[in-house]
Amino acid sequence: NAGVMQNPRHLVRRRGQEARLRCSPMKGHSHVYWYRQLPEEGLKFMVYLQKENIIDESGMPKERFSAEFPKEGPSILRIQQVVRGDSAAYFCASSPTNTEAFFGQGTRLTVV
Amino acid sequence: AQSVTQPDIHITVSEGASLELRCNYSYGATPYLFWYVQSPGQGLQLLLKYFSGDTLVQGIKGFEAEFKRSQSSFNLRKPSVHWSDAAEYFCAVGAGTASKLTFGTGTRLQVTL
Repeated sequence: NAGVMQNPRHLVRRRGQEARLRCSPMKGHSHVYWYRQLPEEGLKFMVYLQKENIIDESGMPKERFSAEFPKEGPSILRIQQVVRGDSAAYFCASSPTNTEAFFGQGTRLTVV
Repeated sequence: AQSVTQPDIHITVSEGASLELRCNYSYGATPYLFWYVQSPGQGLQLLLKYFSGDTLVQGIKGFEAEFKRSQSSFNLRKPSVHWSDAAEYFCAVGAGTASKLTFGTGTRLQVTL
């Protein structure tokens, strides 16, 4: 059983471009979470999704950020019009029952 | 609001020495507590978790943690550290689910030979 797969591992975007981060949960896991880790900080919760539903997006910035977890395919975290402050590591986690989160290796976004 | 404090930003221990990493939490009800380890450039790996029951929990790689409600603490311990344990360690608290975990700022462990 493969772990949580995130791609790309590294992503460089110029200011104003769009960033799309992908997350394939572990097989059998229907709960997906996105976290952001800024340099020298711990992880901060962004959003919790189940198939086709956003359950809790209380940690998402109000503008430019969106997330989806379609019926088929990976979960996508989308950041529009990126700014330097969006540079961070973005981690996806999944869970079979919403009791224990298994994390992917993260996508490191650099905005230049 | 829930919060987690890891008072030690950086700890250095000699290989073979014992280790204790501190974690204090703030939460209104019975917390779900976790310890994760992150190696450089890698994701987080779950070391152990506490939901209920025995307050001394065993994890992977020889780690254990003890939940002390009176002290609002969940300290991580290992009797004999190996060089491969060098990494960053994060304590996290949840509200009974895996969602919306609150993480501490981490403790970076360095192991000297």
